[in-house]
Amino acid sequence: DADVTQTPRNRITKTGKRIMLECSQTKGHDRMYWYRQDPGLGLRLIYYSFDVKDINKGEISDGYSVSRQAQAKFSLSLESAIPNQTALYFCATSDSPGQGSNYGYTFGSGTRLTVV
Amino acid sequence: DAKTTQPTSMDCAEGRAANLPCNHSTISGNEYVYWYRQIHSQGPQYIIHGLKNNETNEMASLIITEDRKSSTLILPHATLRDTAVYYCIVRVFNAGGTSYGKLTFGQGTILTVHP
Repeated sequence: DADVTQTPRNRITKTGKRIMLECSQTKGHDRMYWYRQDPGLGLRLIYYSFDVKDINKGEISDGYSVSRQAQAKFSLSLESAIPNQTALYFCATSDSPGQGSNYGYTFGSGTRLTVV
Repeated sequence: DAKTTQPTSMDCAEGRAANLPCNHSTISGNEYVYWYRQIHSQGPQYIIHGLKNNETNEMASLIITEDRKSSTLILPHATLRDTAVYYCIVRVFNAGGTSYGKLTFGQGTILTVHP
């Protein structure tokens, strides 16, 4: 099984619908992130969480919300999807100081979301 | 985090070494150099990182100049599966405060490995 699993892999939804993207990890990392990738714009941070009780906005959080249900689970919601939220979404994890590793981030395989 | 400059694209013959340069002339003393790659539409993959010493792992080698203003990622024997976008990122490692672990991805270098 992958270290960071995202579901679904692909999703087409209609404008105005609520949609949830899920992420689970087996890395045992404290920190989890949601990024979106658009052609020509690289990866941009939406939300991040350093532990179960910690939620922080990234650079493009408007229109999104997140929930950290457990150390291993971090979900991203689009409350009312709009077409410009069509993108490739990535979940990532990283360890915390003291966890012993400094390998940076581990990314999931991505969710391709299309809003029509 | 310091800004990086990479060539837009590079080509390499299969079996040869691929040397990918990165300029980070404004790097601070506590900033590390990280390299990631992204194979078409997959999640970025960590390759290697370093502070000031050269580093080597099973995937690649990282050569950082003595003044730390530039670095080179070396894939010693490139294969077709190494075709990807390679990102050089400079960031403070495990910083607290406002450096919340954000990775700032630039445009990267598109490496194409030819048969």
